Amino acid sequence: NAGVTQTPKFQVLKTGQSMTLQCAQDMNHNSMYWYRQDPGMGLRLIYYSASEGTTDKGEVPNGYNVSRLNKREFSLRLESAAPSQTSVYFCASSLAGNNSPLHFGNGTRLTVT
Amino acid sequence: SQQGEEDPQALSIQEGENATMNCSYKTSINNLQWYRQNSGRGLVHLILIRSNEREKHSGRLRVTLDTSKKSSSLLITASRAADTASYFCARGSGTSGSRLTFGEGTQLTVNP
Repeated sequence: NAGVTQTPKFQVLKTGQSMTLQCAQDMNHNSMYWYRQDPGMGLRLIYYSASEGTTDKGEVPNGYNVSRLNKREFSLRLESAAPSQTSVYFCASSLAGNNSPLHFGNGTRLTVT
Repeated sequence: SQQGEEDPQALSIQEGENATMNCSYKTSINNLQWYRQNSGRGLVHLILIRSNEREKHSGRLRVTLDTSKKSSSLLITASRAADTASYFCARGSGTSGSRLTFGEGTQLTVNP
């Protein structure tokens, strides 16, 4: 039982390049989330998916897109990376939205030069 | 903007002492959750307290919630070096499936 798995663990991009961060959970959770964590800013929600087939914007969605591929997988895409997107990205899942605990992956550390 | 604010930003204590961290928020909540993050790792859920609850215990953890003051506190008793981590409160509001808003965290250091 792996929980929430994120790939890759580290990535360096040049400004303007694109990439997709992958996330999968094996807990049969309905809701999935993407957060970014920056020093002194805590965690900020980028996008979330309350259930399979739905996605919604969070606090900081600009520059990102998401896909809820199926119940297990929720990917985050940067179409044209910018230095301001240098951050640590966390995927999380929960059984029943924010009324149940979130389970986090170990993060992807992204640097955009 | 962040809706959960934590105090203090950093706390350093000796092993065996108690650690208290506080969290304030601005709008109504369904529940308030506390998480721990070890360096370089993802967050781990510690405890969830619902808006109609006032206190909750889990092992050495005690969480209180005062909805009239819009604040919560996390008490770790008899701290250990392994408790060294960042601790975050997170506010759950709105309908199920909507956002969980995190504070900026308290960095706890427990010295052996």
